[in-house]
Amino acid sequence: DQQVKQNSPSLSVQEGRISILNCDYTNSMFDYFLWYKKYPAEGPTFLISISSIKDKNEDGRFTVFLNKSAKHLSLHIVPSQPGDSAVYFCAASDSTGTASKLTFGTGTRLQVTL
Amino acid sequence: AAGVIQSPRHLIKEKRETATLKCYPIPRHDTVYWYQQGPGQDPQFLISFYEKMQSDKGSIPDRFSAQQFSDYHSELNMSSLELGDSALYFCASSLEFSEQFFGPGTRLTVL
Repeated sequence: DQQVKQNSPSLSVQEGRISILNCDYTNSMFDYFLWYKKYPAEGPTFLISISSIKDKNEDGRFTVFLNKSAKHLSLHIVPSQPGDSAVYFCAASDSTGTASKLTFGTGTRLQVTL
Repeated sequence: AAGVIQSPRHLIKEKRETATLKCYPIPRHDTVYWYQQGPGQDPQFLISFYEKMQSDKGSIPDRFSAQQFSDYHSELNMSSLELGDSALYFCASSLEFSEQFFGPGTRLTVL
């Protein structure tokens, strides 16, 4: 039962354009969402997060949007750069307990072309 | 800035052998998590510790055990290894409910 889904396994975007990565979740108890970037043979690198009390969080070129009613979040990267090419994982947690585990999506491979 | 350290980075074992993976969290982080990522799969939560006590348990086989020590480092012990245990094992640390920061992972290969 995949509680966090990233329906696009891959995405190709031209350098300088906007990259939009999407994520859907089914568990209504999730209240904290994160995006991680992962290069091969490395651990996931934290990018940006958002709490369910907000609908938008911005950090430099990265913006995360949360639509709670649709149980959907998206990561916008503007402008996209070749160094952004990696696998992006959406993750969610239920922070009501201690040490909230992350439930990951299946990942989207982003390729930024010149 | 100091990151999460995992050792070893690569480990090759035979079936039915035992393996121990170590994780050193970011200084002052009190929570440690273990995840397993199989080939082509997303990371799956195994177990977590908060202030040296087990706080949550995921899909961790009974053959695996883990603990967090007084210096907050953690060890994942895996016994009776099976071919299906071959995977990347990530450790992450956080300060209470803050963002989890991941280590580089240990690649375990069971032959």
